[in-house]
Amino acid sequence: EDQVTQSPEALRLQEGESSSLNCSYTVSGLRGLFWYRQDPGKGPEFLFTLYSAGEEKEKERLKATLTKKESFLHITAPKPEDSATYLCAVGDGNNRKLIWGLGTSLAVNP
Amino acid sequence: DAGVIQSPRHEVTEMGQEVTLRCKPISGHNSLFWYRQTMMRGLELLIYFNNNVPIDDSGMPEDRFSAKMPNASFSTLKIQPSEPRDSAVYFCASSLQPGSYEQYFGPGTRLTVT
Repeated sequence: EDQVTQSPEALRLQEGESSSLNCSYTVSGLRGLFWYRQDPGKGPEFLFTLYSAGEEKEKERLKATLTKKESFLHITAPKPEDSATYLCAVGDGNNRKLIWGLGTSLAVNP
Repeated sequence: DAGVIQSPRHEVTEMGQEVTLRCKPISGHNSLFWYRQTMMRGLELLIYFNNNVPIDDSGMPEDRFSAKMPNASFSTLKIQPSEPRDSAVYFCASSLQPGSYEQYFGPGTRLTVT
């Protein structure tokens, strides 16, 4: 069964304390892995797409990496404005859909 | 450029009433998606359209749910009759081309059925 699992469910960091979020997946016909950010009361906002193992993408303090079975979202020296829920999704080429994880809720304290 | 527009933003209704949610996708986008989000189940795809044609409605939970896309700039999701377990946040998203997984979400409609 196609599945996306994110860990941890919640993470609390101090400002400047770097860490990583994990997204592991099992899906047939993978068509990319996608990271989104969701702020309270808003819809998910697209961050990155990764297509092949070894690929990396960066945006400000965020860096996403991909292996054959998982992806990491590294957050370097986070700031309070990085607080949000980070969602991971994989493209299922067989069914032409995104399969979503439940997200990691990140809180960065000043 | 305006993003995906949804209305209403909040809806409170009584069990048994009809609810209609509305969505205007980004201009020029050819695919539209309806999702439901809950704490327990996360984001669930209900239905999606390519070029105004429904492609996959296997996520629609019951016959009480229906969706239409009469033209490229408007879609509705209707629940009739509504039940308390339908309470959730409903998102509409659009993407530029059919088959594109890069989706742009609206702000959502928070539905509460009492």
